[in-house]
Amino acid sequence: DAGITQSPRYKITETGRQVTLMCHQTWSHSYMFWYRQDLGHGLRLIYYSAAADITDKGEVPDGYVVSRSKTENFPLTLESATRSQTSVYFCASSEGRSNQPQHFGDGTRLSIL
Amino acid sequence: TQLLEQSPQFLSIQEGENLTVYCNSSSVFSSLQWYRQEPGEGPVLLVTVVTGGEVKKLKRLTFQFGDARKDSSLHITAAQPGDTGLYLCVQNAGNMLTFGGGTRLMVKP
Repeated sequence: DAGITQSPRYKITETGRQVTLMCHQTWSHSYMFWYRQDLGHGLRLIYYSAAADITDKGEVPDGYVVSRSKTENFPLTLESATRSQTSVYFCASSEGRSNQPQHFGDGTRLSIL
Repeated sequence: TQLLEQSPQFLSIQEGENLTVYCNSSSVFSSLQWYRQEPGEGPVLLVTVVTGGEVKKLKRLTFQFGDARKDSSLHITAAQPGDTGLYLCVQNAGNMLTFGGGTRLMVKP
């Protein structure tokens, strides 16, 4: 089925470990985004990508790495996880035209112990 | 980055009641979107408003964009338990979304 899928849905890891969150979309949307959602902060943009091999920082990029070798995939890596990165992470995609909706995945709940 | 303030932050009402939630900014919006997020899911776009004074209706939901394009409201008539969720006002500027803090609505049967 067409859509945007995130994996895993839930992840528990320890501080200092590397963890990668996956995002896959089947619409061939040019734009993809990663957000984190925390109580008291709402949704904040981590990184985004306008096309394959083009990525740029959002509001809170520190501690995260992204890549976009293929249009349909946009993985987010925490190279050395910290407790402050415990959050719910959402991936989204859009066509790229003004005012077009962003389509969100169902999120990955990440806990770092 | 434009700051979007939403009120109230939390709202708990009985089924059948009406409610209004607000989104305000000190700056002018080029356009504004409302998203709804249900528990365990990502946000879903409800509406986009572009023109000052614009009113859009989506079944029992009425969205209004202020004349000066600095504020917006969402009115729900005869709320139902299925309306429960987090309502987010969002500025969409060149594909970059800025989210308000949201209004968390609970509708009790």
